[in-house]
Amino acid sequence: TQLLEQSPQFLSIQEGENLTVYCNSSSVFSSLQWYRQEPGEGPVLLVTVVTGGEVKKLKRLTFQFGDARKDSSLHITAAQPGDTGLYLCAGAGIHGGSQGNLIFGKGTKLSVKP
Amino acid sequence: GAGVSQSPSNKVTEKGKDVELRCDPISGHTALYWYRQSLGQGLEFLIYFQGNSAPDKSGLPSDRFSAERTGGSVSTLTIQRTQQEDSAVYLCASSLGSSGNTIYFGEGSWLTVV
Repeated sequence: TQLLEQSPQFLSIQEGENLTVYCNSSSVFSSLQWYRQEPGEGPVLLVTVVTGGEVKKLKRLTFQFGDARKDSSLHITAAQPGDTGLYLCAGAGIHGGSQGNLIFGKGTKLSVKP
Repeated sequence: GAGVSQSPSNKVTEKGKDVELRCDPISGHTALYWYRQSLGQGLEFLIYFQGNSAPDKSGLPSDRFSAERTGGSVSTLTIQRTQQEDSAVYLCASSLGSSGNTIYFGEGSWLTVV
């Protein structure tokens, strides 16, 4: 059983379109992080959300943490080819696990065509 | 160094052989993490170090896997009697502390067991 479900798994869009990636769980997390990973590299942290209902903006990226701290979304406005990559969500503090024990979703592979 | 450094970047080994993967964290980072990324499985937590001790090693898949950290810096992940299912990218990460600090990932060691 996957504790964090990400959807969609694959997304191919044209430059300028908007998109939303979802991260859902039946468990409550103390915090949730979003990462972006490019081929041959490790994941790079984009944002951490901690408070239920929290919304954070990073240029064209908007991150939301659900009120119950069980789900999150990443919305990209006017996608650009440079946004192409694997987007991962990761939850911390579940089932008494250490803060270092992040539970990752399987990721959303985004391709933005010029 | 500037980032988390891992070696080797690629390793092909025969089934049954032992392998050692090395991680050099960012200078001054007390927390160190090992994750495994398999095709279609996402990132899987293996073990977390705070200093030289490992308060959470719940993710190690079997007793063939072990890790140590000496001097509060470099860590080695050892896989004994490798199996084909051990093939994956092994990612190391570090952070200043274990709670609320940004986790920085290395580029990973790609292990192929033939």
